Amino acid sequence: DTGVSQNPRHKITKRGQNVTFRCDPISEHNRLYWYRQTLGQGPEFLTYFQNEAQLEKSRLLSDRFSAERPKGSFSTLEIQRTEQGDSAMYLCASSLSAGIIQETQYFGPGTRLLVL
Amino acid sequence: LAKTTQPISMDSYEGQEVNITCSHNNIATNDYITWYQQFPSQGPRFIIQGYKTKVTNEVASLFIPADRKSSTLSLPRVSLSDTAVYYCLVVGSYGQNFVFGPGTRLSVLP
Repeated sequence: DTGVSQNPRHKITKRGQNVTFRCDPISEHNRLYWYRQTLGQGPEFLTYFQNEAQLEKSRLLSDRFSAERPKGSFSTLEIQRTEQGDSAMYLCASSLSAGIIQETQYFGPGTRLLVL
Repeated sequence: LAKTTQPISMDSYEGQEVNITCSHNNIATNDYITWYQQFPSQGPRFIIQGYKTKVTNEVASLFIPADRKSSTLSLPRVSLSDTAVYYCLVVGSYGQNFVFGPGTRLSVLP
């Protein structure tokens, strides 16, 4: 399967704990995006990378959130001191940016986080 | 980023054609219209994308009038498995981040 993969698929944690999610994009895709989705809502943009550079962060991304893409391949999203409001589905997407050619984002299956 | 408006929900029966219309009055010259489908507990799946007139693939058709202020996703002969949430997005050609609305929840009934 050459699609976007995310691990773990589910995570249950206690409030105050740190969690880390991993995303493996489609090979050779240079852009990687993180979104958060709560029940009944569409995905909300969190941040994106072009290769290893983090180019934009949403205001939704508080100081407790950090994302990395150290070698321009896989990415991790860490949430420190989790709160119940962090419970959501965290989606990763990747795309191939080729100048003016319109890119399509391909999404992974998501990681569902439940903070107790 | 152009905002979109689409119906919150729609019902249909198996075998019918379903048309979901999306309004995007503030679409910019370089923007494309993209539709995604999402099943519960899965990530959104790309369906179709277009700039103007009509685009068709093996899954759906996308109709875009000349003023591009709206678009219509057409799903021919839907089946129960087409029950999902459908998102209309307007995306710039320079990697602007996707802004999802609440989407249209399509329920296909037997």
